Amino acid sequence: EDQVTQSPEALRLQEGESSSLNCSYTVSGLRGLFWYRQDPGKGPEFLFTLYSAGEEKEKERLKATLTKKESFLHITAPKPEDSATYLCAVQAPIGYNKLIFGAGTRLAVHP
Amino acid sequence: NAGVTQTPEFQVLKTGQSMTLQCAQDMNHEYMSWYRQDPGMGLRLIHYSVGAGITDQGEVPNGYNVSRSTTEDFPLRLLSAAPSQTSVYFCASSQRALAQETQYFGPGTRLLVL
Repeated sequence: EDQVTQSPEALRLQEGESSSLNCSYTVSGLRGLFWYRQDPGKGPEFLFTLYSAGEEKEKERLKATLTKKESFLHITAPKPEDSATYLCAVQAPIGYNKLIFGAGTRLAVHP
Repeated sequence: NAGVTQTPEFQVLKTGQSMTLQCAQDMNHEYMSWYRQDPGMGLRLIHYSVGAGITDQGEVPNGYNVSRSTTEDFPLRLLSAAPSQTSVYFCASSQRALAQETQYFGPGTRLLVL
């Protein structure tokens, strides 16, 4: 069964303390892995799409990487405004038009 | 562009009542979908549409109906609300009928079924 697991469930960081969020997946034939940011009371906001192992993408303090079994979202020198829930989702060939989401990691960055 | 809009923002229903959650997008996107989000769980796909007149079931379709008569609108109908349908509902759209396209999400509808 296709599955996406995110860890940790929650992460508390001090401002400037770099860390990584993990998204591990078990799908047959990954077509794409997506990272979203979700602020409280709002819909998810697209961050990155990764398509193949070894691929990396960056946006401000965020960098997403992909291997054959997992993806990492690295946060460098985070600021309080980076506090949010980060969601990972995958698209597999079966169910071609569908995304499978993980439960998310709640990140809190304190000054 | 307003993007993806959803109404209502909040709703309280009694068990057995019916209602329609509205979703509209002004980006001429082909693909639209409905998700529900529950605490501790990922977003789960309810129904999706790859174009006007074409809909299909997602992961958790029971108790919900959809139709797509226009490109812009994709309403979600609860036929007979149950407490298990208490959730936050998100509508999303993307340019083409491929999930690899960037999906844009609406602000959500928070539904409480008593």
